[in-house]
Amino acid sequence: NAGVTQTPKFQVLKTGQSMTLQCAQDMNHEYMSWYRQDPGMGLRLIHYSVGAGITDQGEVPNGYNVSRSTTEDFPLRLLSAAPSQTSVYFCASSSGAGGYTFGSGTRLTVV
Amino acid sequence: KNEVEQSPQNLTAQEGEFITINCSYSVGISALHWLQQHPGGGIVSLFMLSSGKKKHGRLIATINIQEKHSSLHITASHPRDSAVYICAVEGATNKLIFGTGTLLAVQP
Repeated sequence: NAGVTQTPKFQVLKTGQSMTLQCAQDMNHEYMSWYRQDPGMGLRLIHYSVGAGITDQGEVPNGYNVSRSTTEDFPLRLLSAAPSQTSVYFCASSSGAGGYTFGSGTRLTVV
Repeated sequence: KNEVEQSPQNLTAQEGEFITINCSYSVGISALHWLQQHPGGGIVSLFMLSSGKKKHGRLIATINIQEKHSSLHITASHPRDSAVYICAVEGATNKLIFGTGTLLAVQP
């Protein structure tokens, strides 16, 4: 099925551990982005990319890294997990004219 | 002040009622999006608007660019419409700014 595939769905990390959240899309969308969703707050942009080899910071980039080596993949790396990074993470892609497609989300708990 | 404000924050309706959710924004936009998120679920795009009105089934979305306001209407509401509805505005750089959402509960 065409869309955005996000893995894993759930993850528990210990403080200080690192991990990568995977995001892949098969719609040939140029624009991809990562968001975090916290209770009582709207989704907030972490990092985004307008095409392969191009990434930029969003509203809350600290503690996260991204890369975009291909059009399809846009992984999000947590360098040294902290309890403040406990959240639900969503990846999304967009062609610009056709709206956004979101992944199913990753529920991350940092203990 | 948030750049995107939604009202109401919570809404309870009886099955069959006509529902309106409002979104006001304070920035220049290239498009406005309405999204739906079921409890514990993923996010689904309902509408992308840059002007006028769009309709899909029982859902209608309108936007007034001059007043910087959009509404999402649900006709003949059903319990399966219970979800969080999120308004998001898109600027020239494709970045989205989200409202905090409206939690809708439709009771049978």
